[in-house]
Amino acid sequence: DTEVTQTPKHLVMGMTNKKSLKCEQHMGHRAMYWYKQKAKKPPELMFVYSYEKLSINESVPSRFSPECPNSSLLNLHLHALQPEDSALYLCASSPIGGTGELFFGEGSRLTVL
Amino acid sequence: AQTVTQSQPEMSVQEAETVTLSCTYDTSENNYYLFWYKQPPSRQMILVIRQEAYKQQNATENRFSVNFQKAAKSFSLKISDSQLGDTAMYFCAFMITGNQFYFGTGTSLTVIP
Repeated sequence: DTEVTQTPKHLVMGMTNKKSLKCEQHMGHRAMYWYKQKAKKPPELMFVYSYEKLSINESVPSRFSPECPNSSLLNLHLHALQPEDSALYLCASSPIGGTGELFFGEGSRLTVL
Repeated sequence: AQTVTQSQPEMSVQEAETVTLSCTYDTSENNYYLFWYKQPPSRQMILVIRQEAYKQQNATENRFSVNFQKAAKSFSLKISDSQLGDTAMYFCAFMITGNQFYFGTGTSLTVIP
């Protein structure tokens, strides 16, 4: 299994809603990432979890709250988002060390109204 | 500071022809890995090719090959016999210790039938 699975694929929410994005991988990777990507732009790193602990937080607003319940799952909780937060949210995983290749999910397309 | 520069925002190539995408990077690290990622319009980012910085031999994967010039910090991607399915955004990236990844701004490649 070399897949990173993200749900939902599409999400529309209002600025007062609370929603969550989910990510799952079964490759035994101990590093998991959340990226935000705007159209035709590179992915921007938001959070990194290493061994289920938050290791990098790229000064992301607190309306985004990550969670890593176990080594296979990664969540991104969303609350009080702004329209400018509309983007493709990509989850990725990688082995720690070695060649470190990132494996990406298909992404969750988020629209904030 | 770690940077990746892709100086060609858009490129096009005729089907069956060869195209080269350029990438330069800057890092003070001695050990790192270089990658080319492809993101088709269907959006999932996939790895095209990987190069270990300590290896002098250029990596190849079927129709894809790289020209890695370590001293010049250059890492270009050559696509031979271009196919319609090669139409995508291409991102150059490198990884240093601590699983820290840096992406270029991307090149949008269109293969013309």
